[in-house]
Amino acid sequence: EAGVVQSPRYKIIEKKQPVAFWCNPISGHNTLYWYLQNLGQGPELLIRYENEEAVDDSQLPKDRFSAERLKGVDSTLKIQPAELGDSAVYLCASSNHNEQFFGPGTRLTVL
Amino acid sequence: EDQVTQSPEALRLQEGESSSLNCSYTVSGLRGLFWYRQDPGKGPEFLFTLYSAGEEKEKERLKATLTKKESFLHITAPKPEDSATYLCAVQKGDSGNTPLVFGKGTRLSVIA
Repeated sequence: EAGVVQSPRYKIIEKKQPVAFWCNPISGHNTLYWYLQNLGQGPELLIRYENEEAVDDSQLPKDRFSAERLKGVDSTLKIQPAELGDSAVYLCASSNHNEQFFGPGTRLTVL
Repeated sequence: EDQVTQSPEALRLQEGESSSLNCSYTVSGLRGLFWYRQDPGKGPEFLFTLYSAGEEKEKERLKATLTKKESFLHITAPKPEDSATYLCAVQKGDSGNTPLVFGKGTRLSVIA
């Protein structure tokens, strides 16, 4: 069974530039999560989707971050414009009422 | 506020030297406690879920236990390949899809 797929794996951008991350969850998993992981910290939730609906986005900085999951499968997380403090690993996870399985993450560096 | 505290922050063991990692938590309405392993440059890898005090689960050299206030991850006769960061997380509510609240992790190094 294929795991959670994320791309790109690494991204380096200048501050104020836009950036987008893509996630394909495990087949059949209706719930998709985006987590942010800073160095030396555990992951922190940004947003949770149940199918196409964002049901938990209170931690998403909506002035610059946006996310979508149009057909209830793949998801995209966007930052525009990026700031230096956005440098981190962005993790996507999926679940189907039990354990959450994580992708490899996208490491973002903002210069 | 829900809190998960892991200790120690880092642990260095000789190969074969057994030890335990601690995860203490404060959460109302705990549904489950999760352990993950994370290797450098990779996403967290699921290890265990514990749902009730007294529950234990084992996988190879790892055994996880749960009380009402904390969980332990016991590592018996570790090998260098057990070196990783071990993350503890709690889930509250009555749905298996609610988000996890993670601790900062324990960085384990096992020296041959």
